Amino acid sequence: DAGVTQSPTHLIKTRGQHVTLRCSPISGHKSVSWYQQVLGQGPQFIFQYYEKEERGRGNFPDRFSARQFPNYSSELNVNALLLGDSALYLCASSVGQGRTQYFGPGTRLLVL
Amino acid sequence: DAKTTQPTSMDCAEGRAANLPCNHSTISGNEYVYWYRQIHSQGPQYIIHGLKNNETNEMASLIITEDRKSSTLILPHATLRDTAVYYCIVRVATSGGGADGLTFGKGTHLIIQP
Repeated sequence: DAGVTQSPTHLIKTRGQHVTLRCSPISGHKSVSWYQQVLGQGPQFIFQYYEKEERGRGNFPDRFSARQFPNYSSELNVNALLLGDSALYLCASSVGQGRTQYFGPGTRLLVL
Repeated sequence: DAKTTQPTSMDCAEGRAANLPCNHSTISGNEYVYWYRQIHSQGPQYIIHGLKNNETNEMASLIITEDRKSSTLILPHATLRDTAVYYCIVRVATSGGGADGLTFGKGTHLIIQP
């Protein structure tokens, strides 16, 4: 069975630009969560979507937004990129809320 | 979610059992203990989780103390490929409709020595 997939794998942007990252959950999973991991730190929770509705967000500015589509795939959008947004962005899917989350390989974003 | 405390790093000889401790003294009755690991630059990999009973799967065993204030992840026969950062996470069993994002600490960097 296919795991969580994310695209692109790597991305380079400049300050002020915006970026869209994509995630496809494991088949049958209806919840998608997004995490940011900066170098040397553990992943930090950004958003969770379940049944196409936002169920919560972490301590991130409004420049970060996301959505979930009818097929349960998800996009993470970041506007007005800052150098500090350089990180590994991870997507995790689960059958539902409160269930085990399985992570994708991540998208590595570099902001110059 | 309750906080967890893990050693920053540990070494283990290849072929030996790796025992990774985690303290979670403020854990609540409805909170599970989850373990993930992250090999360099990859996404975290789910290992195992438990509520109060010991658990075993093909990857590892999880031993939770009777008072649930600490746990130990056991990799029975460590290989070089087990070198990774191991995260112990406590989370509620059901979110009740609210967000249940995982709270990661810095984890334990386990180094398997040949």
